[in-house]
Parts: sequence; structure tokens; C-alpha cells
Amino acid sequence: EVQVVESGGNLVQPGGSLRLSCAVSGFTLSNYWMNWVRQAPGKGLECVATINEAGSDKFYVDSVKGRFSISRDSAKNSLYLQMNSLRVEDTAVYYCGRDLFDYWGQGTLVTVSS
Amino acid sequence: QAGLTQPPSMSKDLRQTATLTCTGNSHNVGNQGALWLQQHQGHPPKLLSYRNDSRPSGISERFSASRSGNTASLTITGLQPEDEADYYCSVWDSSLSGWVFGGGTKLTVL
Repeated sequence: EVQVVESGGNLVQPGGSLRLSCAVSGFTLSNYWMNWVRQAPGKGLECVATINEAGSDKFYVDSVKGRFSISRDSAKNSLYLQMNSLRVEDTAVYYCGRDLFDYWGQGTLVTVSS
Repeated sequence: QAGLTQPPSMSKDLRQTATLTCTGNSHNVGNQGALWLQQHQGHPPKLLSYRNDSRPSGISERFSASRSGNTASLTITGLQPEDEADYYCSVWDSSLSGWVFGGGTKLTVL
């Protein structure tokens, strides 16, 4: 059974940093592209970062370029999102989604506020 | 970054048919297979359709997708109360090198 579990969300001040984790089981992480998708309160979905199977290609939405970094550790079957220089507008539920979004976790809430 | 255009809301009667649209351009919908997601309040999205017309296992045949030019469509037949949800389209944009999403359509089943 495929499982995806995000963690690491928290309340952080503007300018602060957080590292989100996504632990997967039931499939081999190194065989799939992976994505981080966020949803601000009452708003739609936005894919903020994508990484290919090998971890060699990474893609970011313009609003997070230079601040967020996606990475993966196949040995630990985990995906990560390092978020620096956080802004109020980064407040959202962050989801980890596999490949063509066929599996999602329950999400982890990031709140950026002073 | 430019997203996809979806009507923000739609209301249909029980057991009727709803067709949701998603308009993009030649770099995304016109070039790649769109996928459709359903999201109920307080839950993560669920994949309904990918590569324009393929359904994951377990998804009802009442959901079908298609594409014409730069517009993708999701048709839901025999509407049920549980179909009331937000529906999002998404596609890989080759010019942006990233996934783009529509703003979502909130479907109300009357």
C-alpha cells in the first residue's frame, strides 16, 4: 500500500526557515518524479517545486526561486523542501505529490506570521 | 506564472451532467496531457484523470476527460451528492518547465 506522510510544518516568523519532509512507503522513490504543492487558506493549488527521478533536475515556481530547495534521499525514501526567507504569503498547507499526482499526503501546515 | 483558466463555480441538478472546462495555451493544454483532480473540503486532492482521458483504478466511469485544442474538459454524468467538490485541472507547461494549475471550479449539486 502506497503511503505519503508530510511533516515539519510549523509557525515561523517572516524571514525564518523550515524544512519539510515527506516520507513515502509502498513504492521506490527513485523511480518517480516528485512534487511539492501548496494551498493557501481558501485558495487553489500551486506546485512550488518538482524533482526528477535521479534528483538531477529541479524546477521551481518563480515566487520561490532562490528561497526554496527540493531534494530527495532515496536511501531514506524521503523527499524534502528546504524553505528559507519565508514570507507571510508562503502560509499554506504543503502537500507532497507523486509524479502525475496519483498519490498525495494529508499535508503539513506552514504559517508565517509575526 | 500564467495558470489555466477554469470557471470559478458551477451548479447542476442531481443526476444531471456537468462539463467542466480548463483553458490554457499551446505550451501546456495544447501540447501535453491534462489531468483532473477532485478535492473535498479539508481533504487532499484526488486524481480523477490523467493524460487527457486515462482514469486511475477505482475512479468511476461517470468521470471522463477530453481535449480540444487548448481546452481540456471533464464530464461528470449522473451527478451524485458526493460529486460536490472543487475540481482542478493541471498540466506540465513546457515553456515554464513546471506544473500549472487552474484556479479550480466549485461544483454544487442541487
